[in-house]
Amino acid sequence: DQQVKQNSPSLSVQEGRISILNCDYTNSMFDYFLWYKKYPAEGPTFLISISSIKDKNEDGRFTVFLNKSAKHLSLHIVPSQPGDSAVYFCAASADTNAGKSTFGDGTTLTVKP
Amino acid sequence: DVKVTQSSRYLVKRTGEKVFLECVQDMDHENMFWYRQDPGLGLRLIYFSYDVKMKEKGDIPEGYSVSREKKERFSLILESASTNQTSMYLCASSVSGTGRNNEQFFGPGTRLTVL
Repeated sequence: DQQVKQNSPSLSVQEGRISILNCDYTNSMFDYFLWYKKYPAEGPTFLISISSIKDKNEDGRFTVFLNKSAKHLSLHIVPSQPGDSAVYFCAASADTNAGKSTFGDGTTLTVKP
Repeated sequence: DVKVTQSSRYLVKRTGEKVFLECVQDMDHENMFWYRQDPGLGLRLIYFSYDVKMKEKGDIPEGYSVSREKKERFSLILESASTNQTSMYLCASSVSGTGRNNEQFFGPGTRLTVL
């Protein structure tokens, strides 16, 4: 049973437009959500996170939205830049989970100049 | 600057060999993790350690073991490498706790090929 799902394996957008990456989860115990970005031949790096007590968190061009009732979160990148081209992983953790996170399969974002 | 290092970027081994992957973090983190990343399968947790000499199986521990004798070092061991263990291996660390502390810091990865 996959508890965190990123249903779009890939996404292609034009430079300057908005990129929206989606993530769904099934475990209602998850209370903290993170997005990581991964370039080829590098480890993932933390991008932005959101606590379940919030519905939005913004950091520069990146905004994460959380809809708890739908068990859905999304990452918005505005405006998209070619350097944003990477694999994006959604991750979720629970207070009871001893620091572990459950990761989605990732979405490969390509931003075309 | 926080750092997680892995002993090798690329490794080629033969079937049946014993393989050691080493990971070192300099952030005094309690938690350390080993994942493997395969196309279309995301990051799958192999083993997790929350303290020295403490370990916990992840989602896919079969064929792997781990060792954590010192806080900063977490080793992944393939007792008898098989071709289906060809993968990208990622080590990560984090502080203990919840919420913001769940952010994990990753090493650059080891691309292991088993022939």
